[in-house]
Amino acid sequence: AQKITQTQPGMFVQEKEAVTLDCTYDTSDPSYGLFWYKQPSSGEMIFLIYQGSYDQQNATEGRYSLNFQKARKSANLVISASQLGDSAMYFCAMREPFNSGGYQKVTFGTGTKLQVIP
Amino acid sequence: EAQVTQNPRYLITVTGKKLTVTCSQNMNHEYMSWYRQDPGLGLRQIYYSMNVEVTDKGDVPEGYKVSRKEKRNFPLILESPSPNQTSLYFCASSLDLGQGSPLHFGNGTRLTVT
Repeated sequence: AQKITQTQPGMFVQEKEAVTLDCTYDTSDPSYGLFWYKQPSSGEMIFLIYQGSYDQQNATEGRYSLNFQKARKSANLVISASQLGDSAMYFCAMREPFNSGGYQKVTFGTGTKLQVIP
Repeated sequence: EAQVTQNPRYLITVTGKKLTVTCSQNMNHEYMSWYRQDPGLGLRQIYYSMNVEVTDKGDVPEGYKVSRKEKRNFPLILESPSPNQTSLYFCASSLDLGQGSPLHFGNGTRLTVT
């Protein structure tokens, strides 16, 4: 089974509209971290937002928020007021314990390509 | 400037010719990792290191070697590259092994093996 599933290979959104990028995950461990990264066409990977499995509130960072539904094992990224510069690939990732000694295992989804239309 | 530096950015080589991709971080990070990115497959972990002299396999370690002799450096070695190792490679580091410790990425190395 996939650890991280991103079911939307590509999405379009109108500039200034909000968009939700889906991410579901699979783990039996109660303690884990969820991350979203952005990869513009230039190729670099940029950390956007983090949510811990025990966090009671959804994480927010500026125009980014993470809609965390623990029982459904989903961690969707919401981008409000989309801008042309938001056009990029977006990856969901999970950090979980492996063997002993910390959260060594970091697994990524296959990504969603977002295109913002003027 | 705090960063992860990978070299080279682009590399074209032939099957069987040993190569090394270097990775260095100046943030005193404990954890370092290598990923390969392929279309439709996302990023897959090759190897990771929790500290000096401590390395372990990720999900796709076959055909790769790593070493962590110093905290700042984590080179990726392809002893006998094959065309199926043509990919975009990323080195990443994090401050520690914490649940909430984000990865910091290098700019990537695009490798072509002919």
